[in-house]
Amino acid sequence: QKEVEQDPGPLSVPEGAIVSLNCTYSNSAFQYFMWYRQYSRKGPELLMYTYSSGNKEDGRFTAQVDKSSKYISLFIRDSQPSDSATYLCAMYGNKLVFGAGTILRVKS
Amino acid sequence: ETGVTQTPRHLVMGMTNKKSLKCEQHLGHNAMYWYKQSAKKPLELMFVYSLEERVENNSVPSRFSPECPNSSHLFLHLHTLQPEDSALYLCASSQDWLSGANVLTFGAGSRLTVL
Repeated sequence: QKEVEQDPGPLSVPEGAIVSLNCTYSNSAFQYFMWYRQYSRKGPELLMYTYSSGNKEDGRFTAQVDKSSKYISLFIRDSQPSDSATYLCAMYGNKLVFGAGTILRVKS
Repeated sequence: ETGVTQTPRHLVMGMTNKKSLKCEQHLGHNAMYWYKQSAKKPLELMFVYSLEERVENNSVPSRFSPECPNSSHLFLHLHTLQPEDSALYLCASSQDWLSGANVLTFGAGSRLTVL
C-alpha cells in the first residue's frame, strides 16, 4: 500500500464549477499537510499548508484535513481556466511524502 | 534572480555521455534537494543537503552523483544513464531540513531525455 494515494485524473470541469481534489494516506505520523500546484513546464509551488486537522481557507481555495479518516481535500470554488494545473498533495511526519498529483483542466 | 534557478531546462544525452544539472537558490535557505518526477508517479526524493552536508541519499544509483559546493549551489552529475532515467529533475530548497513545516521552494526543473 502506498503511503499517499492520489487519483492522477485528469479531472475536467467547466469554468465556474466547484472542484474537489483528494488524497488518502496510511501513515498516522503525518501532522503537516500541504497542497502544491504545478503549472505546465514549471516546478511545484506551495498553495496551501495545514497543521493537524481542520479547515483552512484562502480566497477561492479551502483545504480540509480529516485525520480520523486519513483523508485530505482541496476545494476550489468558482474554478477558472487559470486553475488548470497539476495539484500535488504532500504530507510530513518525520519525512515528506508526495502524492502522484491530479491533473485538473478547467474549460472556458 | 530570485527563487530557485535550474539549468539547463532541457537536456538530451546518450547513454555514454556525461552531463551535469545545476541549481542555484537565492533565498538564503540551508537545505537543498534533488527530486525526480516521472509521469503519474509521486516525486521521488533523491538527495538532501543541509548546510552543504549530504544528509539523505535514497538508494539512488551511482550513475547520479550530487555535489553541493556551497549553500547556494547544487549540482547533479550524470554519467552512463539509462533510458528509464528520462524524467523531470527538480531542485528545491527549504529554510531548514527536518523542520515541521518543511515548505519547499522548487525550481522549474530540468527535463532530461536519455536516448
